[in-house]
Amino acid sequence: SSELTQESAVSVALGQTVSITCQGDSLRSFYASWFLHKPGQAPITVIYGKNKRPSGIPDRFSGSNSGNTASLTIMGAQAEDEADYYCTCRDSSGRRLLLFGGGTKVTVL
Amino acid sequence: QLQLQESGPGLVKPSETLSLICSVSGGSISSSGYYWDWLRQTPGKGLDWLGSLHSSGSTDFHPSVKSRITISADTSKNLFSLKLRSVTAADTAMYFCARHTSVGATTERGGAEYFDHWGQGTLVTVSS
Repeated sequence: SSELTQESAVSVALGQTVSITCQGDSLRSFYASWFLHKPGQAPITVIYGKNKRPSGIPDRFSGSNSGNTASLTIMGAQAEDEADYYCTCRDSSGRRLLLFGGGTKVTVL
Repeated sequence: QLQLQESGPGLVKPSETLSLICSVSGGSISSSGYYWDWLRQTPGKGLDWLGSLHSSGSTDFHPSVKSRITISADTSKNLFSLKLRSVTAADTAMYFCARHTSVGATTERGGAEYFDHWGQGTLVTVSS
């Protein structure tokens, strides 16, 4: 399969931990990147590769990889973490294209 | 600090060509090893990658638009552009330009596609 599948929506209580997943065959061959997107703003990468965070991203964001699944975990979720989260990776089927998940809406209660 | 800014008509008629420019400042579009991308978000849906222009000059496109899309660069003006032909209402979306690079390969997996800079996006409506 050349698709990446994410949960459509998850909710988390303020200060609690939430994990979202991204599944796809290409994740067996390539690391994922994760970025958040808030309405009216430019997307921001929060995790890429083997659990790397860009400068300025809080350490409450972490990533992991196992088999065909990449996971993004937010430990101690804050109100400002409420956003749509997307995963992406390169297609491993030989086609030169990028795959994107459908996005997970994270709501902080 | 690298900055990207999309510009172009906000309204395009059906069957015509959608043309957008991404102006790059604070860095050169000719820097090696980077991909310059166009993505879009249709109303109520997620982000879709449309295609990339690599610093080597090669291009990659999503199969859904491959027959209609051109991405090119003007290095003298430090910008890259998107042309999407024969548009329909389904092409109505917020269009984003971005830069990414492949990083972090290990013995376990190939590198991740790290999007490090994005434009703010520009809304394009296809309507007569």
